Amino acid sequence: QKEVEQDPGPLSVPEGAIVSLNCTYSNSAFQYFMWYRQYSRKGPELLMYTYSSGNKEDGRFTAQVDKSSKYISLFIRDSQPSDSATYLCATRSSGYSTLTFGKGTMLLVSP
Amino acid sequence: DTGVSQDPRHKITKRGQNVTFRCDPISEHNRLYWYRQTLGQGPEFLTYFQNEAQLEKSRLLSDRFSAERPKGSFSTLEIQRTEQGDSAMYLCASSLSDLDDEQFFGPGTRLTVL
Repeated sequence: QKEVEQDPGPLSVPEGAIVSLNCTYSNSAFQYFMWYRQYSRKGPELLMYTYSSGNKEDGRFTAQVDKSSKYISLFIRDSQPSDSATYLCATRSSGYSTLTFGKGTMLLVSP
Repeated sequence: DTGVSQDPRHKITKRGQNVTFRCDPISEHNRLYWYRQTLGQGPEFLTYFQNEAQLEKSRLLSDRFSAERPKGSFSTLEIQRTEQGDSAMYLCASSLSDLDDEQFFGPGTRLTVL
């Protein structure tokens, strides 16, 4: 079992839809949680960075962490065609800087 | 553009050849990371540097792989005697000095081993 599991998709939604992307993890030592967006043939770009459990909102994006169930979510409101990309969840333990990534979910938003 | 840069962007080589990639981090970023990403997978950590010191290496980094950051600025990743299984995107990231600092990724070098 990989330490971070993520459904690869693709997830297809119409423009304006609310998108829910999810990851589960197995290592209780993970304390920091991130969502990266990766366009085709580009490097990952950080979207959200949260510590421990709770919610964090930034514009149309909301990240949720539930450490009791080891579940990470990213919600995208009013999705746009420009949101079409692969979304990677990533985690790390306290005291370590290296990131452990899920395999990414491909999102396709159609106009 | 003051982001992380990587060179070359694409490399095609024959099995058994040696290849070297370069990463230039964001100016004043002390930490530099190398990751490898294969098709349909997320990036996997290879190694990282704090200034010129290589502080951690993944078990994925076989003895055919070597990384350097001689002056604490740019870094090189060399793969000797390349194998078809080395075909992947090699990503470099950099961050300031604290563990909590965001890692900024470069565009990657795509390696194809024939």
